[in-house]
Amino acid sequence: GAGVSQSPRYKVAKRGQDVALRCDPISGHVSLFWYQQALGQGPEFLTYFQNEAQLDKSGLPSDRFFAERPEGSVSTLKIQRTQQEDSAVYLCASSSRGLTAYNEQFFGPGTRLTVL
Amino acid sequence: DQQVKQNSPSLSVQEGRISILNCDYTNSMFDYFLWYKKYPAEGPTFLISISSIKDKNEDGRFTVFLNKSAKHLSLHIVPSQPGDSAVYFCAASARVRGGSNYKLTFGKGTLLTVNP
Repeated sequence: GAGVSQSPRYKVAKRGQDVALRCDPISGHVSLFWYQQALGQGPEFLTYFQNEAQLDKSGLPSDRFFAERPEGSVSTLKIQRTQQEDSAVYLCASSSRGLTAYNEQFFGPGTRLTVL
Repeated sequence: DQQVKQNSPSLSVQEGRISILNCDYTNSMFDYFLWYKKYPAEGPTFLISISSIKDKNEDGRFTVFLNKSAKHLSLHIVPSQPGDSAVYFCAASARVRGGSNYKLTFGKGTLLTVNP
C-alpha cells in the first residue's frame, strides 16, 4: 500500500500480558516515529528511529516499553506486563528525510490498545 | 505542563462560513508549526504548516496565521464545508541540538462540526 499501515488495529490485553504492535512505514522513508494518544488528548511522542538507529527514546513512559526497527523498515513497539494506564491509541508515523530538514510526517491509522 | 494548548474543545459553524481554530504555545524554541486533521478511526492527516520566519501561509481554503510575539497561531477555513468536520490538532516542532526539528508536540485538538 501507499500509506503507513499498522497491525493489529485493535488489541485487548489482560493486565500483565505482553503485547507487540507493528508498523509498516511508507517504503523508503528514513524516519519513523511512535506516538501514544490517550483518550481526549493529542498524540504524545514516544520514540524516533532514523533507519535502524533509535536516536530518541525520551518519550517512552517506562522500561516496560521497548521499540525496535532492526532492518530500517518495519518497526515493532512492545509493551511488557501491560497496565491499565497503557490503554491508548498507538500511532506510527514516517517521513522521508532524516535529521536534515523538517518535513511532513505521515501517520498510520493507529492501534487501539485496551488493557482490562 | 502543556506546551501547546487548544483551549476550545469544540467549534460549530454553518456551511459556507469561516471556521477559526486557535492554538497557543509556551515554548519559544518551537520554530515550525503544523495543523493535522483527524477523522474517527484514522490517523492524523497533515493539512498545512508554517515556519516561524513567516506570519501567514495559504493553501486553497486553508490559511494559517502565526503571531510569534503572542505565541499564537490560528487556522482559518473559508468557506467551511461539511466534509471539514473532524478533529483538528495543532502541533509544534523544535530544532534539536545537532540535528533538525522532528519531534512534534500536539495540542489536545478541537472538534470542528460544519453544519449543512
